[in-house]
Amino acid sequence: NAGVTQTPKFRILKIGQSMTLQCAQDMNHNYMYWYRQDPGMGLKLIYYSVGAGITDKGEVPNGYNVSRSTTEDFPLRLELAAPSQTSVYFCASRQGGTGPYEQYFGPGTRLTVT
Amino acid sequence: EDKVVQSPLSLVVHEGDTVTLNCSYEVTNFRSLLWYKQEKKAPTFLFMLTSSGIEKKSGRLSSILDKKELFSILNITATQTGDSAIYLCAVDQGAQKLVFGQGTRLTINP
Repeated sequence: NAGVTQTPKFRILKIGQSMTLQCAQDMNHNYMYWYRQDPGMGLKLIYYSVGAGITDKGEVPNGYNVSRSTTEDFPLRLELAAPSQTSVYFCASRQGGTGPYEQYFGPGTRLTVT
Repeated sequence: EDKVVQSPLSLVVHEGDTVTLNCSYEVTNFRSLLWYKQEKKAPTFLFMLTSSGIEKKSGRLSSILDKKELFSILNITATQTGDSAIYLCAVDQGAQKLVFGQGTRLTINP
């Protein structure tokens, strides 16, 4: 199993540009998550999904959008990038059910907006 | 507001020392507390704690939870340079969401 994969690894955006961060998992996990991690900080939840077609906002959703058309994929869209979105983005997944279950993390995407 | 607070934020010790990392929490709904180790990239899972007073152990690492006082500790004995990392504590609130602390940056000097 590849686990949770993310692309790209690094990206530099200009202010106002848009991009999509890709996330995929091959563990047949129902639950998927997007976090951002700013320097010296813990992870903050952006969006999450409990299954295909179902998404919900986390703690810091402004400036982002998500979709979940398949179990495997959970892309994160940044519209009109701003310097405040400079961060490391992690995707995670966990199995469904009442749990508790650990989350498995992807390797991250380092995004710089200038 | 739900919050998870870790201390210290940064710790530098010598190889062979024992360290204790702290995590306190205030959340509306508690299901479990998790510890992760983060080196250069993704956090990797260490422990999940759901019951008070039961120590989880893996090699030189151990952790325990106190649900009455709302905290957990992570102990690392006989530290090695490979233990240098950021250690993250997170609380599972049960709504499929984790609330993370800021992390403790641990540096082990040879």
